[in-house]
Amino acid sequence: NAGVTQTPKFQVLKTGQSMTLQCAQDMNHNSMYWYRQDPGMGLRLIYYSASEGTTDKGEVPNGYNVSRLNKREFSLRLESAAPSQTSVYFCASSEAGQSSYEQYFGPGTRLTVT
Amino acid sequence: TQLLEQSPQFLSIQEGENLTVYCNSSSVFSSLQWYRQEPGEGPVLLVTVVTGGEVKKLKRLTFQFGDARKDSSLHITAAQPGDTGLYLCAGDNTGTASKLTFGTGTRLQVTL
Repeated sequence: NAGVTQTPKFQVLKTGQSMTLQCAQDMNHNSMYWYRQDPGMGLRLIYYSASEGTTDKGEVPNGYNVSRLNKREFSLRLESAAPSQTSVYFCASSEAGQSSYEQYFGPGTRLTVT
Repeated sequence: TQLLEQSPQFLSIQEGENLTVYCNSSSVFSSLQWYRQEPGEGPVLLVTVVTGGEVKKLKRLTFQFGDARKDSSLHITAAQPGDTGLYLCAGDNTGTASKLTFGTGTRLQVTL
C-alpha cells in the first residue's frame, strides 16, 4: 500500500509562476486535505474535500485553488506564486465521520518561491 | 480562528529523563489527537482522546484530555532517542473530523 503520495517532493518557483501539487490516496477515503506547515505555526488547513465533488475553504485559502479530480486525487494549484507561499505542503486523507478517525499524511512537498 | 497553543516549543533532554508537553485552548473540542512527525515525513497519529478526563497509555507515553475538553497533555517516561521528533496536538470540534485545528508543535530532541 502506497497510502498518500505527493508530487513533486521539491520545487523552486519564481514569483508569479504557477504550479500544481498533486496528491493521490489508495485507501478509498472520502475526505482529503491540503495543509501548509511553517516554522512555529504547526499545520494550517488550506482547503479540504469532505467527499468527491465537494471542496471547502480552510484557514488560509487565499492564493490557492483545489480540484477533487476523483475519489483518489486532490490537487492544489498556485496560480501566481508569491514568496509568502514558501512552505512545506502536506496532503492528507481520512475516513471522516467515524469516532476513531485518523488523518493519513503524505511525505510533503517543499516549495520555495524566490 | 481557534488556537491550540503548545508548550514548550522546544525541549532538549537526555535519555532516561521524563517530560510533559502541554496543549491548551480556550475552545472546547469534541476530541483531540496527538501526532508525531519525523524530519522529511508527514505526521503520524499516536492517539485520539474523546472523553473529558480520559487517560490513554501507549507504552511509555501517557495522554490526558482535560475535564473541560479544552486542554491535553502528553507525558513521556524514560525518554529514548527514538522519541525525537515534532509532537503536534490537533483538535476537532465538528464531531466528524471534517476540519482539524493543529497546535503550534513541540520539537523534542532526546540525546544519549
